[in-house]
Amino acid sequence: QKEVEQNSGPLSVPEGAIASLNCTYSDRGSQSFFWYRQYSGKSPELIMSIYSNGDKEDGRFTAQLNKASQYVSLLIRDSQPSDSATYLCAVLYNFNKFYFGSGTKLNVKP
Amino acid sequence: EPEVTQTPSHQVTQMGQEVILRCVPISNHLYFYWYRQILGQKVEFLVSFYNNEISEKSEIFDDQFSVERPDGSNFTLKIRSTKLEDSAMYFCASRTRDPGNTIYFGEGSWLTVV
Repeated sequence: QKEVEQNSGPLSVPEGAIASLNCTYSDRGSQSFFWYRQYSGKSPELIMSIYSNGDKEDGRFTAQLNKASQYVSLLIRDSQPSDSATYLCAVLYNFNKFYFGSGTKLNVKP
Repeated sequence: EPEVTQTPSHQVTQMGQEVILRCVPISNHLYFYWYRQILGQKVEFLVSFYNNEISEKSEIFDDQFSVERPDGSNFTLKIRSTKLEDSAMYFCASRTRDPGNTIYFGEGSWLTVV
Protein backbone atom coordinates (compact mmCIF):
# COMPACT_ATOMS: atom_id res chain seq x y z
CA GLN A 1 0.00 0.00 0.00
CA LYS A 2 1.40 3.34 -1.03
CA GLU A 3 0.97 5.92 1.69
CA VAL A 4 -0.44 9.39 1.23
CA GLU A 5 -0.49 11.34 4.46
CA GLN A 6 -2.50 14.41 5.31
CA ASN A 7 -3.24 16.19 8.56
CA SER A 8 -6.89 15.46 9.27
CA GLY A 9 -7.51 18.91 10.75
CA PRO A 10 -9.80 20.63 11.12
CA LEU A 11 -7.91 23.61 9.83
CA SER A 12 -9.71 26.80 10.71
CA VAL A 13 -8.96 30.07 8.95
CA PRO A 14 -10.82 33.39 8.88
CA GLU A 15 -12.49 34.53 5.69
CA GLY A 16 -10.00 36.24 3.39
CA ALA A 17 -6.97 34.48 4.82
CA ILE A 18 -4.67 31.99 3.10
CA ALA A 19 -5.32 28.33 3.83
CA SER A 20 -2.34 26.00 3.49
CA LEU A 21 -2.90 22.28 3.07
CA ASN A 22 -0.09 19.74 3.01
CA CYS A 23 0.37 16.20 1.81
CA THR A 24 3.28 13.76 1.83
CA TYR A 25 3.61 10.58 -0.15
CA SER A 26 5.77 7.53 0.29
CA ASP A 27 6.56 6.36 -3.21
CA ARG A 28 9.18 8.15 -5.27
CA GLY A 29 7.75 6.51 -8.38
CA SER A 30 4.59 8.57 -8.12
CA GLN A 31 3.99 10.47 -11.30
CA SER A 32 1.16 12.91 -10.94
CA PHE A 33 -0.52 14.64 -8.04
CA PHE A 34 -4.00 15.94 -7.60
CA TRP A 35 -6.07 17.94 -5.17
CA TYR A 36 -9.75 17.19 -4.81
CA ARG A 37 -12.41 18.90 -2.77
CA GLN A 38 -15.16 16.84 -1.18
CA TYR A 39 -18.27 18.22 0.42
CA SER A 40 -20.01 15.99 2.94
CA GLY A 41 -21.95 13.23 1.21
CA LYS A 42 -20.72 14.22 -2.22
CA SER A 43 -18.14 12.81 -4.59
CA PRO A 44 -14.64 14.29 -4.86
CA GLU A 45 -14.25 17.04 -7.43
CA LEU A 46 -10.94 17.98 -8.99
CA ILE A 47 -9.36 21.28 -8.05
CA MET A 48 -5.90 21.01 -9.55
CA SER A 49 -3.29 18.65 -10.89
CA ILE A 50 0.49 19.04 -10.86
CA TYR A 51 3.27 16.89 -12.32
CA SER A 52 6.44 19.00 -12.23
CA ASN A 53 8.38 20.47 -9.35
CA GLY A 54 7.43 24.02 -8.50
CA ASP A 55 4.24 25.99 -8.32
CA LYS A 56 1.12 25.90 -10.42
CA GLU A 57 -1.50 28.58 -10.06
CA ASP A 58 -5.17 28.52 -11.01
CA GLY A 59 -7.21 31.43 -9.76
CA ARG A 60 -7.17 31.47 -5.98
CA PHE A 61 -5.48 28.08 -5.83
CA THR A 62 -1.76 27.32 -5.99
CA ALA A 63 -0.38 23.79 -5.94
CA GLN A 64 3.23 23.24 -4.97
CA LEU A 65 5.23 20.08 -5.63
CA ASN A 66 8.59 19.07 -4.25
CA LYS A 67 9.49 15.58 -5.44
CA ALA A 68 12.80 15.49 -3.57
CA SER A 69 10.98 15.98 -0.28
CA GLN A 70 7.94 14.03 -1.45
CA TYR A 71 5.38 16.59 -0.55
CA VAL A 72 2.68 18.47 -2.33
CA SER A 73 0.71 21.38 -0.95
CA LEU A 74 -2.30 23.48 -1.83
CA LEU A 75 -2.68 27.15 -1.00
CA ILE A 76 -6.07 28.79 -1.10
CA ARG A 77 -5.92 32.57 -1.19
CA ASP A 78 -8.76 34.82 -0.08
CA SER A 79 -10.51 31.87 1.54
CA GLN A 80 -14.30 31.92 1.41
CA PRO A 81 -16.84 30.14 3.61
CA SER A 82 -17.81 28.14 0.50
CA ASP A 83 -14.28 26.68 0.52
CA SER A 84 -15.16 24.84 3.73
CA ALA A 85 -14.84 21.17 2.79
CA THR A 86 -12.51 18.23 3.05
CA TYR A 87 -9.51 18.44 0.72
CA LEU A 88 -8.12 15.20 -0.59
CA CYS A 89 -4.63 14.74 -1.91
CA ALA A 90 -4.33 12.01 -4.55
CA VAL A 91 -1.24 10.48 -6.08
CA LEU A 92 -1.04 8.55 -9.33
CA TYR A 93 1.26 5.58 -9.20
CA ASN A 94 2.25 3.19 -11.96
CA PHE A 95 0.16 5.09 -14.53
CA ASN A 96 -2.94 3.43 -13.23
CA LYS A 97 -3.61 3.56 -9.54
CA PHE A 98 -4.71 6.58 -7.59
CA TYR A 99 -4.07 6.65 -3.86
CA PHE A 100 -5.91 9.12 -1.70
CA GLY A 101 -4.97 10.67 1.58
CA SER A 102 -7.51 10.71 4.36
CA GLY A 103 -8.23 14.37 3.72
CA THR A 104 -7.91 17.63 5.61
CA LYS A 105 -11.08 19.30 6.80
CA LEU A 106 -11.02 23.04 6.22
CA ASN A 107 -13.32 25.47 8.03
CA VAL A 108 -13.41 29.05 6.77
CA LYS A 109 -15.05 31.26 9.35
CA PRO A 110 -16.99 34.34 8.17
CA GLU B 1 -19.79 18.43 -19.96
CA PRO B 2 -19.38 14.63 -20.03
CA GLU B 3 -19.79 12.95 -16.69
CA VAL B 4 -19.65 9.59 -15.01
CA THR B 5 -23.11 8.41 -14.05
CA GLN B 6 -23.95 5.88 -11.37
CA THR B 7 -27.07 4.00 -10.40
CA PRO B 8 -28.65 3.55 -7.98
CA SER B 9 -27.88 6.62 -5.92
CA HIS B 10 -28.93 4.78 -2.79
CA GLN B 11 -29.66 1.14 -2.11
CA VAL B 12 -30.68 -0.62 1.06
CA THR B 13 -30.13 -4.36 1.13
CA GLN B 14 -30.30 -7.15 3.64
CA MET B 15 -27.17 -8.82 4.83
CA GLY B 16 -26.31 -11.80 2.65
CA GLN B 17 -27.97 -10.42 -0.46
CA GLU B 18 -26.18 -9.68 -3.72
CA VAL B 19 -25.90 -6.12 -4.95
CA ILE B 20 -24.95 -4.76 -8.37
CA LEU B 21 -23.85 -1.16 -8.67
CA ARG B 22 -23.82 0.29 -12.15
CA CYS B 23 -21.71 2.94 -13.77
CA VAL B 24 -21.51 4.57 -17.17
CA PRO B 25 -18.00 6.02 -17.57
CA ILE B 26 -17.20 8.97 -19.79
CA SER B 27 -17.33 7.70 -23.35
CA ASN B 28 -13.73 8.19 -24.52
CA HIS B 29 -12.20 7.01 -21.26
CA LEU B 30 -10.23 3.78 -21.11
CA TYR B 31 -9.46 3.23 -17.43
CA PHE B 32 -12.25 2.50 -15.01
CA TYR B 33 -12.16 2.38 -11.24
CA TRP B 34 -14.24 1.58 -8.21
CA TYR B 35 -13.53 3.28 -4.90
CA ARG B 36 -15.22 2.95 -1.56
CA GLN B 37 -15.67 5.46 1.22
CA ILE B 38 -17.03 4.33 4.56
CA LEU B 39 -18.78 7.18 6.35
CA GLY B 40 -16.22 9.53 7.85
CA GLN B 41 -13.27 7.63 6.45
CA LYS B 42 -10.91 7.96 3.53
CA VAL B 43 -11.56 7.13 -0.10
CA GLU B 44 -10.24 3.60 -0.61
CA PHE B 45 -9.19 2.05 -3.89
CA LEU B 46 -10.95 -1.18 -4.78
CA VAL B 47 -10.12 -2.06 -8.36
CA SER B 48 -9.00 -0.70 -11.70
CA PHE B 49 -10.08 -2.07 -15.06
CA TYR B 50 -8.46 -1.63 -18.44
CA ASN B 51 -8.76 -3.39 -21.76
CA ASN B 52 -11.58 -5.59 -20.48
CA GLU B 53 -9.71 -6.97 -17.54
CA ILE B 54 -8.75 -6.10 -13.99
CA SER B 55 -5.40 -4.29 -14.03
CA GLU B 56 -5.04 -3.90 -10.30
CA LYS B 57 -7.01 -4.58 -7.15
CA SER B 58 -6.61 -3.85 -3.47
CA GLU B 59 -6.69 -6.24 -0.56
CA ILE B 60 -10.27 -5.10 0.06
CA PHE B 61 -11.33 -6.50 -3.31
CA ASP B 62 -11.65 -10.14 -2.32
CA ASP B 63 -13.74 -12.95 -3.78
CA GLN B 64 -16.88 -11.23 -2.58
CA PHE B 65 -16.42 -8.58 -5.24
CA SER B 66 -16.39 -8.74 -9.02
CA VAL B 67 -16.44 -6.24 -11.85
CA GLU B 68 -17.70 -6.51 -15.35
CA ARG B 69 -18.04 -4.46 -18.48
CA PRO B 70 -20.98 -6.26 -20.04
CA ASP B 71 -21.27 -3.94 -23.04
CA GLY B 72 -19.52 -0.94 -24.50
CA SER B 73 -20.84 1.52 -21.98
CA ASN B 74 -21.63 -0.02 -18.59
CA PHE B 75 -19.19 -0.93 -15.85
CA THR B 76 -20.59 -2.84 -12.89
CA LEU B 77 -19.49 -3.78 -9.40
CA LYS B 78 -21.10 -6.87 -7.92
CA ILE B 79 -20.95 -7.57 -4.22
CA ARG B 80 -21.96 -11.10 -3.33
CA SER B 81 -23.36 -11.95 0.09
CA THR B 82 -23.18 -8.42 1.49
CA LYS B 83 -22.00 -7.80 5.04
CA LEU B 84 -22.80 -4.97 7.41
CA GLU B 85 -19.31 -3.57 6.93
CA ASP B 86 -19.94 -3.19 3.20
CA SER B 87 -22.14 -0.19 4.00
CA ALA B 88 -20.39 2.69 2.30
CA MET B 89 -20.47 5.11 -0.60
CA TYR B 90 -19.14 3.45 -3.72
CA PHE B 91 -17.65 5.71 -6.35
CA CYS B 92 -17.04 4.82 -9.94
CA ALA B 93 -14.37 6.79 -11.78
CA SER B 94 -12.79 6.87 -15.20
CA ARG B 95 -10.02 8.55 -17.11
CA THR B 96 -8.26 8.60 -20.46
CA ARG B 97 -4.98 6.81 -21.13
CA ASP B 98 -2.92 9.97 -20.69
CA PRO B 99 -1.15 9.59 -17.29
CA GLY B 100 -1.36 13.32 -16.88
CA ASN B 101 -5.10 13.20 -16.84
CA THR B 102 -7.01 12.89 -13.67
CA ILE B 103 -9.86 10.57 -12.87
CA TYR B 104 -13.40 11.84 -12.83
CA PHE B 105 -15.81 10.56 -10.26
CA GLY B 106 -19.47 9.72 -10.47
CA GLU B 107 -21.83 10.99 -7.80
CA GLY B 108 -21.62 7.73 -5.91
CA SER B 109 -23.92 4.93 -4.86
CA TRP B 110 -24.70 4.84 -1.18
CA LEU B 111 -25.09 1.23 -0.04
CA THR B 112 -26.68 0.46 3.30
CA VAL B 113 -26.60 -3.15 4.47
CA VAL B 114 -29.05 -3.95 7.25
